[in-house]
Amino acid sequence: QVQLQESGPGLVKPSETLSLTCNISGGSISNFYWSWIRQSPGKGLEYIGYVYYTGSTSQNPSLNNRVTVSVDRSKNQFFLKLKSVTAADTAVYYCARGRGHSGYDYWGQGILVTVFS
Amino acid sequence: SYELTQPPSVSVSPGQTATISCSGDTLGDEFACWYQQKPGQSPVLVIYHDDRRPSGIPERFSGSSSGNTATLTITGAQAVDEADYYCQAWGSGTPWVFGGGTKLTVL
Repeated sequence: QVQLQESGPGLVKPSETLSLTCNISGGSISNFYWSWIRQSPGKGLEYIGYVYYTGSTSQNPSLNNRVTVSVDRSKNQFFLKLKSVTAADTAVYYCARGRGHSGYDYWGQGILVTVFS
Repeated sequence: SYELTQPPSVSVSPGQTATISCSGDTLGDEFACWYQQKPGQSPVLVIYHDDRRPSGIPERFSGSSSGNTATLTITGAQAVDEADYYCQAWGSGTPWVFGGGTKLTVL
């Protein structure tokens, strides 16, 4: 059974960089789009970006090039860096396994990140 | 930016059929997925590739697509189906957009 687990600081100061790790267990890292999705309090889901297992990436244009998603195949982990955060970046951040048009079939439990000075 | 439009809320009585729509300008050229999210929980994939159901998802959940609108149907809705539902598009021109979500009430 595939399991995903997010980890990282729960508090980040404005203008700093939010850094999260997603640990993948129980499955291969190959042939999937490893993605980050967030949900602001009381709001809907927002796609942040993905890294394909080969290392190619995509990000949501609305985040103005603040996003870096990367993968470490040797450790079965992938990462999110979101720079220059503001209060608007406060959200629950989910990592998920994407299968293209077959959707996100596995999700982490989510981690609340608060941007707070 | 590309958007997927869902009704904010849908309400049905137990045993009735609930339908939730999702429209987007180019949705007809893409595949739609649907997720169920209950309070405090991570989303769960209930439909992918427009109309396919993952293993473990009850048969009362079905999906369809016509033109630029995708539809999630829950036949014989139960109280346990009360949740937020999100559509999502996957296509070469979209950054994996999500719809705004629909709150399904079963009462």
